[in-house]
Amino acid sequence: AQTVTQSQPEMSVQEAETVTLSCTYDTSESNYYLFWYKQPPSRQMILVIRQEAYKQQNATENRFSVNFQKAAKSFSLKISDSQLGDTAMYFCAFMNYMDSNYQLIWGAGTKLIIKP
Amino acid sequence: DTGVSQDPRHKITKRGQNVTFRCDPISEHNRLYWYRQTLGQGPEFLTYFQNEAQLEKSRLLSDRFSAERPKGSFSTLEIQRTEQGDSAMYLCASSPPMGGGYEQYFGPGTRLTVT
Repeated sequence: AQTVTQSQPEMSVQEAETVTLSCTYDTSESNYYLFWYKQPPSRQMILVIRQEAYKQQNATENRFSVNFQKAAKSFSLKISDSQLGDTAMYFCAFMNYMDSNYQLIWGAGTKLIIKP
Repeated sequence: DTGVSQDPRHKITKRGQNVTFRCDPISEHNRLYWYRQTLGQGPEFLTYFQNEAQLEKSRLLSDRFSAERPKGSFSTLEIQRTEQGDSAMYLCASSPPMGGGYEQYFGPGTRLTVT
């Protein structure tokens, strides 16, 4: 069974700083997707970025980028020039797309606080 | 694209009562998921529909839980004889048909409190 581990329950940085959230996962599969989702306080889950396991190039979306280390089963999220609106819970999620139901397996989340 | 909607947003019920939640996916999405999220945790998968067929159910989904998706459009999740342990956020997500991407788009959730 696949598992996802986020070892940082909470992080806090100053506005405009760069922050990296860590995620490791365990799987015996070779074809899968990895995702980072953001859940602001009392608001819905929003997709931040995704990475296909077969792609060596790290995904980037504006200020958000990932460091995908397939051999190490590591998938960290870097947020550059952090903004107050980045304050949220961040969840790392895994999907085995050879699995017929395409369910997401989630980490426990990291609470990120951006301080003014 | 109006996004995934869920109704109600909040539900307070007494132990032993039945509750039903509704999810309306993005219109062209044929895949629909239900997850449960307790405070401070990541979501846990409950069930999955492709069109009107329920293809997967988690062991978390006890006999008191039932989900339907008539005609492959909206979905309902019913909990019978609610227990305090059912208190959680119930999230619905949808995905486009195969070839349209694997991302799941989430609704705002229904927060259930069982007293």
